Amino acid sequence: AQSVTQLGSHVSVSEGALVLLRCNYSSSVPPYLFWYVQYPNQGLQLLLKYTSAATLVKGINGFEAEFKKSETSFHLTKPSAHMSDAAEYFCAVSFYNKLIFGAGTRLAVHP
Amino acid sequence: DADVTQTPRNRITKTGKRIMLECSQTKGHDRMYWYRQDPGLGLRLIYYSFDVKDINKGEISDGYSVSRQAQAKFSLSLESAIPNQTALYFCATSDPEWDEETQYFGPGTRLLVL
Repeated sequence: AQSVTQLGSHVSVSEGALVLLRCNYSSSVPPYLFWYVQYPNQGLQLLLKYTSAATLVKGINGFEAEFKKSETSFHLTKPSAHMSDAAEYFCAVSFYNKLIFGAGTRLAVHP
Repeated sequence: DADVTQTPRNRITKTGKRIMLECSQTKGHDRMYWYRQDPGLGLRLIYYSFDVKDINKGEISDGYSVSRQAQAKFSLSLESAIPNQTALYFCATSDPEWDEETQYFGPGTRLLVL
């Protein structure tokens, strides 16, 4: 069965620090993997997606994620956090065109 | 104008009432989805439709029904609302012709059932 686990429901970083949000997946087929971001009172916006073309995927707003098959991971990183990055982040795996989401990680950025 | 719109954006209702949440899209996508979001649970799929004549149950369809009135419209109904249906509801679309895996989300409807 397909599933997604996001480690850490809340992550807090200082402005300018590295952002690392963890995602591990389980999939019986080669996965399509996604990161979505939800800003307060808004819908979900696609950050980036992995579709097997390259293991390092670059997304919007300086985020990137690396697909590691051996670790079944797809962690999201950003070298330097900005106050505007404060939001909730969701990792998802696609299974027959249906998305299965992780529980989400709320990122707080403090000065 | 937003590509995926949801009405209403906020709704308060009472236990036992029937309510409908509506989703419209101008993206021309064939596929539409309804999710609910609960704190600590992420988003869970309620129903999905791959075209006007195709409706499928998702992970948590009990207590819900849907109607696909046209390619652009997909409505979610709660026949008799109960408090544990209090949640944030999202509609999404995807395009099987161009990129079937990526979904595009509306702004959400916040529902409170008293």
